[in-house]
Amino acid sequence: DAGVIQSPRHEVTEMGQEVTLRCKPISGHNSLFWYRQTMMRGLELLIYFNNNVPIDDSGMPEDRFSAKMPNASFSTLKIQPSEPRDSAVYFCASSTGSLETQYFGPGTRLLVL
Amino acid sequence: AQSVAQPEDQVNVAEGNPLTVKCTYSVSGNPYLFWYVQYPNRGLQFLLKYITGDNLVKGSYGFEAEFNKSQTSFHLKKPSALVSDSALYFCAVRDINTDKLIFGTGTRLQVFP
Repeated sequence: DAGVIQSPRHEVTEMGQEVTLRCKPISGHNSLFWYRQTMMRGLELLIYFNNNVPIDDSGMPEDRFSAKMPNASFSTLKIQPSEPRDSAVYFCASSTGSLETQYFGPGTRLLVL
Repeated sequence: AQSVAQPEDQVNVAEGNPLTVKCTYSVSGNPYLFWYVQYPNRGLQFLLKYITGDNLVKGSYGFEAEFNKSQTSFHLKKPSALVSDSALYFCAVRDINTDKLIFGTGTRLQVFP
């Protein structure tokens, strides 16, 4: 199994630009989670989906952040416009259900200048 | 609110010695507890979990954790540390109200040869 796949692995952009992070969950998993990790705030859950439907987006910082899951094998996290304080590592995780063990991708390291 | 605490930012241990990484929790109801490990520039990897049953849970890479209800603890242990165990370790608890995983702040384990 390829595990959770995320792209890009690294992204450097300028403030104000749109950033799109991508995630392919493990095949057969029907729950998908987006997390953000920073030194200051640790690991934070941004949003999670069950069967492609957003269940809880209370962790999304503000309207500049949006996430979609158009099908069971693909999700995006978009930041528009990006700001330097968005610099972090963004992880995607998937599981067979919201109560089950989550498996994490390698993360996308985002730097907004 | 459900929460976990990892009281040590860093734990240092010599190779071959036993290691313990501490975690305490605060939940209403029965806790679902997890340990994850994060190697440099990688995503989190699942080590083990406690749902119910035996208080001693065995996981990956020779790690185990002991659930102690009276002390509300779920410490991670290994009888003999390896240099390759050096990494960041996260304890997590499932919030029964939201199904979200609540992560601790992490403990950096450094194993010296």
